[in-house]
Amino acid sequence: QLQLQESGPGLVQPSETLSLTCSVSGDSISSRTYFWGWIRQPPGKGLELIGCVYFAGTTYDNPSLKSRVTISLDTSKNQFSLSLSSVTAADTAVYYCVSLIWSGYPYFDYWGQGILVTVSS
Amino acid sequence: DIQMTQSPSSLSASVGDRVTITCRASRHISRYLNWYQHRPGKAPKLLIYAASSLQSGVPSRFSGSGFGTEFALTISSLQPEDFATYYCQQSYSTPYTFGQGTKLEIK
Repeated sequence: QLQLQESGPGLVQPSETLSLTCSVSGDSISSRTYFWGWIRQPPGKGLELIGCVYFAGTTYDNPSLKSRVTISLDTSKNQFSLSLSSVTAADTAVYYCVSLIWSGYPYFDYWGQGILVTVSS
Repeated sequence: DIQMTQSPSSLSASVGDRVTITCRASRHISRYLNWYQHRPGKAPKLLIYAASSLQSGVPSRFSGSGFGTEFALTISSLQPEDFATYYCQQSYSTPYTFGQGTKLEIK
């Protein structure tokens, strides 16, 4: 069974870059079964897919984030990371890392517990 | 983007009740519909994928149905641990999108 755990700073300054890491146990992030991704939930709002990455390098970023997103893999540490640049208060949210089963009918089968990131000076 | 609309937004029920949550897609999504449970302080949990397939380890009191634009999640006999927020999500086209959630509370 997969386990995912987010880590990173809980407070980021406006206009800076938000950086989070997801540590994966129970399978390799080089597995052909999964995309690895990030989902967020601003306070009082709905869930939003930020983007996903596949071990072979394929990535998907939500166009609503206007090219501010980078998702990358570190196979040596079995981790993947999120960078979100030029953050504003609107980026304040709980951020979840997820595994996406991509073949057939895609679904997010495992989620981390989430990490609250506040954008404020 | 495909819009997902859940109803109701909140629901009060008692242990043992049968409850149904509905999810409507803004356009046809075949069976590309998943359901998740989120309890406070816990990681969200996949319950149903492909509209009606029960995820391994999920109790059989949970079931999903629907095709096209109308979907439903049914809990046949509520247990105390089922009081949570439930989300539908479409994976028919990117960006994958979620419903706004249905909060299931104890009556």
